[in-house]
Amino acid sequence: GENVEQHPSTLSVQEGDSAVIKCTYSDSASNYFPWYKQELGKGPQLIIDIRSNVGEKKDQRIAVTLNKTAKHFSLHITETQPEDSAVYFCAASLSNTGNQFYFGTGTSLTVIP
Amino acid sequence: NAGVTQTPKFQVLKTGQSMTLQCAQDMNHEYMSWYRQDPGMGLRLIHYSVGAGITDQGEVPNGYNVSRSTTEDFPLRLLSAAPSQTSVYFCASSLTGYEQYFGPGTRLTVT
Repeated sequence: GENVEQHPSTLSVQEGDSAVIKCTYSDSASNYFPWYKQELGKGPQLIIDIRSNVGEKKDQRIAVTLNKTAKHFSLHITETQPEDSAVYFCAASLSNTGNQFYFGTGTSLTVIP
Repeated sequence: NAGVTQTPKFQVLKTGQSMTLQCAQDMNHEYMSWYRQDPGMGLRLIHYSVGAGITDQGEVPNGYNVSRSTTEDFPLRLLSAAPSQTSVYFCASSLTGYEQYFGPGTRLTVT
């Protein structure tokens, strides 16, 4: 099956700085890569996603980049704010497997005011 | 819309007991999934369904059963609970099989 690795496991940044979280995947057939934000005591919430036919996608302060050749994708958060503090998970999925998602182990982001 | 709902929020079981974790969604989503979340291990897929009457195993299916008799409901059954099943369980649903919406979770402790 697919193996998704995520780094770093913890990340602290000053408010206003940028944060970058990186993931690698093993199955070159994976074609959908979502990012989730999980706040304490809540379920994960989809914040941005990218499909394999796109190299980059932006939504206001967040962006995701995908390098299919190297099999890695990254989450970029600019102008970080304290409310960005949460655990972030990447995932990979192969669309023709129905609904099988493989998640990274998470990055705990702390934005210091 | 209530979205994805899960009950109960918390549960304590003794080893060997059985129980059902409930999951319901009111968005008419065909795809539903169950995950468990353990510290340092992310979310791991237990079982999933691509529509009523259709279920399949995920990454860690042992010790769990599912059924999908309606589009709205996707219960997860633990037939004989073990301490290794202590975890937080999340249900998710999706219209297309891509964007997933997660429920608030059930925290299960097996003693």
